[in-house]
Amino acid sequence: NAGVTQTPKFRVLKTGQSMTLLCAQDMNHEYMYWYRQDPGMGLRLIHYSVGEGTTAKGEVPDGYNVSRLKKQNFLLGLESAAPSQTSVYFCASSHRVINTEAFFGQGTRLTVV
Amino acid sequence: AQTVTQSQPEMSVQEAETVTLSCTYDTSENNYYLFWYKQPPSRQMILVIRQEAYKQQNATENRFSVNFQKAAKSFSLKISDSQLGDTAMYFCALMDSNYQLIWGAGTKLIIKP
Repeated sequence: NAGVTQTPKFRVLKTGQSMTLLCAQDMNHEYMYWYRQDPGMGLRLIHYSVGEGTTAKGEVPDGYNVSRLKKQNFLLGLESAAPSQTSVYFCASSHRVINTEAFFGQGTRLTVV
Repeated sequence: AQTVTQSQPEMSVQEAETVTLSCTYDTSENNYYLFWYKQPPSRQMILVIRQEAYKQQNATENRFSVNFQKAAKSFSLKISDSQLGDTAMYFCALMDSNYQLIWGAGTKLIIKP
């Protein structure tokens, strides 16, 4: 059981380049989330999805887009990377019931130069 | 807006001692859930303990317990008989009825041998 898998684990981008981060979960979870983690700021929600074909904005959505075409996958896109998007990105998923544990991927360290 | 505050950026204790990490939060909702997550140097986010707001009894998981004070909006984590493997960042999080997790900035806990 792989849980939540993020690819890639590391990436360096030049300012203005685009990329897509992939999150895949094999637990049949309805909810999926993308967070960014910056020093001293905890995790901040970028976008989330409560089901296939639906997405919603979180706390810091600007500069990012997402898609949930399949229940098991949640993609995070950066159309034109900026140095301010240098961060560690985490994907998480959880079951529909509100009090269940959120399972996290291993994180993606993205550096924009 | 809902907020979670962890006022201790860093703490250190000797192995086998007891340590308490503080967390306060603000929400207008009556039904919500609180979590403590641990993030070791491996970067993996691991659920430590959870508490449903409608339950008065404090949650306990082996050496980990919480002191949940709903009126004061306080949710502290107590680690008894601390072990070297407890060294990590600890995050307090609040989940609301919109299924969004709101995170504190984290407390870096160092267990000294």
